[in-house]
Amino acid sequence: DTAVSQTPKYLVTQMGNDKSIKCEQNLGHDTMYWYKQDSKKFLKIMFSYNNKELIINETVPNRFSPKSPDKAHLNLHINSLELGDSAVYFCASSPAGPITTMNTEAFFGQGTRLTVV
Amino acid sequence: SQQGEEDPQALSIQEGENATMNCSYKTSINNLQWYRQNSGRGLVHLILIRSNEREKHSGRLRVTLDTSKKSSSLLITASRAADTASYFCATDVTQGGSEKLVFGKGTKLTVNP
Repeated sequence: DTAVSQTPKYLVTQMGNDKSIKCEQNLGHDTMYWYKQDSKKFLKIMFSYNNKELIINETVPNRFSPKSPDKAHLNLHINSLELGDSAVYFCASSPAGPITTMNTEAFFGQGTRLTVV
Repeated sequence: SQQGEEDPQALSIQEGENATMNCSYKTSINNLQWYRQNSGRGLVHLILIRSNEREKHSGRLRVTLDTSKKSSSLLITASRAADTASYFCATDVTQGGSEKLVFGKGTKLTVNP
C-alpha cells in the first residue's frame, strides 16, 4: 500500500490546457505539500495545507490552485498551462503542524512528470 | 532565496569508497534532513538531525551538523553501486509561523562497480 500516491505519473498536454494532479495519503498526516522539481533537479515548495487549510503559498502564479477536500487529499489544478510549467510535481505529507515543530520527516509521492508542448 | 546548498554537485567514486556530501544553509533551523532520490522516483527520507544534535548515525550513514557554521555533512561509508542516486539536504524552518522543508539542489552520486 502506497503511503502517498499521486496520479497521473505522466502527463503530456498542450499549452493553454487545464489539467489536474491528484494526491492522496493514507498516513493520517495533518499536513500536505506540493513541490515542483525543475529540469535542474531543484525542489521548490509551492503549497502547504494543514487540515484542509492553506498554510503556505510560495508566490505561485494564480493559475495554480490547490484544493483539499479533506486532510487526506490535496489536488493541484493548473489553468492555462505554459511551457515553463513543465516539471516534475511532487506531493508530500508529514505529521508536522503549522505551529509545532514535530521534528519529523516528510513522505513523498512518486511524482508527476508534466510536459507541456 | 535558496536555503540549502549542497556540494559537490556531482560525485563519482568506486564501490567500497566513502562518499561525503556537504550542505550549507542560511537561516536558523528546527532540524536538517537528508533525502535520497533515485532517477525518476520520489524522495526517500534517510536521516534527521535536530538543531541541538551534532552527530547522528544510521547504518552506513553518518550525519554531522554544525549550527555555528550553518553546515551539515552526509557520509556514506563502504559505498555500493545501489547507492547511486541524488542526495538532498532539507532544512526544516519556521517562517511566518509556518513550518516547511526547504531543499538544496542536491548532489548526484555515482558509485561505479
